Amino acid sequence: NAGVMQNPRHLVRRRGQEARLRCSPMKGHSHVYWYRQLPEEGLKFMVYLQKENIIDESGMPKERFSAEFPKEGPSILRIQQVVRGDSAAYFCASSRNGRDSPLHFGNGTRLTVT
Amino acid sequence: EDQVTQSPEALRLQEGESSSLNCSYTVSGLRGLFWYRQDPGKGPEFLFTLYSAGEEKEKERLKATLTKKESFLHITAPKPEDSATYLCAVQGGRDDKIIFGKGTRLHILP
Repeated sequence: NAGVMQNPRHLVRRRGQEARLRCSPMKGHSHVYWYRQLPEEGLKFMVYLQKENIIDESGMPKERFSAEFPKEGPSILRIQQVVRGDSAAYFCASSRNGRDSPLHFGNGTRLTVT
Repeated sequence: EDQVTQSPEALRLQEGESSSLNCSYTVSGLRGLFWYRQDPGKGPEFLFTLYSAGEEKEKERLKATLTKKESFLHITAPKPEDSATYLCAVQGGRDDKIIFGKGTRLHILP
């Protein structure tokens, strides 16, 4: 009865490197969301995807950030040329029926940019 | 602008001391209000969904209620293991996003 799986749990990157964060949704879920959380801040929406489609990317920075959810395999959040301000916890969530059902979250990837 | 405001930011209670957490929201066309619990280093854990004013949901020592402007999470006779950050989220508005509040950090003293 696996929940939402995210890896890695912790990721350290130097400025200018690329970060790849992976998310496997719960079994039977085809809707994936990515959120970002900073200390003392709420969860900030980044992007909503279904298999092979980006539904809403209005929360994603226009540059350096991209997301995909291929037909096979996990969803990937990719951050190119990371900067210190990208350091945060990134959470993935999945749902069965999109925006009409609750989100179930993974335990996040904590990205630290040095 | 759609907003979710949670209060208080932090709350310390003695074990057994009941209290309520507040979530007030401004969103047009509310489709759902969600409560989550988040422990340090973990992702949010889903607790309840409320859809319409007057609705109530219960789970163990927690009860969530909803009005047209706010929701309350009532905690009855809490135990130390109830210590966590409680997050409120709403779905609705023009773009139907799910927006989170900043949470209430609850600490139950034994």
